[in-house]
Amino acid sequence: EVQLVESGGGLVQPGGSLRLSCAGSGFTFSSDWMTWVRQAPGKGLEWVANIKRDGSQKNYVDSVKGRFTISRDNTMNSLYLQMNGLRAEDTAVYYCARDVGYNSGGTYYDVHDHWGQGTLVTVAS
Amino acid sequence: AIQMTQSPSSLSASVGDRVTITCRASQGIRNDLGWYQQKPGQAPKLLIFAASILQSGVPSRFSGSGSGTDFTLTISSLQPEDFATYYCLQDYNYPRTFGQGTKVE
Repeated sequence: EVQLVESGGGLVQPGGSLRLSCAGSGFTFSSDWMTWVRQAPGKGLEWVANIKRDGSQKNYVDSVKGRFTISRDNTMNSLYLQMNGLRAEDTAVYYCARDVGYNSGGTYYDVHDHWGQGTLVTVAS
Repeated sequence: AIQMTQSPSSLSASVGDRVTITCRASQGIRNDLGWYQQKPGQAPKLLIFAASILQSGVPSRFSGSGSGTDFTLTISSLQPEDFATYYCLQDYNYPRTFGQGTKVE
């Protein structure tokens, strides 16, 4: 059974740092792209970042570029999100998701078929 | 970044109703679009990818259509477990962007 378990959330002061982890099991972790998505309290979903299978390609939403770093350790079946320079607007539940992808006619489609339960990050003084 | 606009933001429906949710992209995105369902306190769940391909295990009452800038998610006969918020997500380019959500109540 595919499982994704996030950890590392908590309360942090503005300007502080936090490192989120996502442990994967039940699948070949190194075979899939991985994604972070967040949701501010009472708000909609926001795509944050993703990373290629071997870690060679990373993409970010503009609002976190230069502050957040996505990484992975395929030997540990783990995904990470290092968050620096945290702001109040980064307060959200952070989800990790597996992207198994679907390739058709040379086009790659995102397929986020499994998600973790989320970890809450609160940025406040 | 591509803007995804869903309509309506919320709708009121009854069990058995046919429900249609629309997602419009600010530029053409071919068929690079997915639909997700989210219930309170839960993680999102994938319903459809590539605009019209039903994810394994998702009931056939869900369907998706569209290409270019206009997309539709249809629930043919609303069931009690379908009351939730629905989001579209474009995967045409980076950064990926979600619609603002449609709450079905």
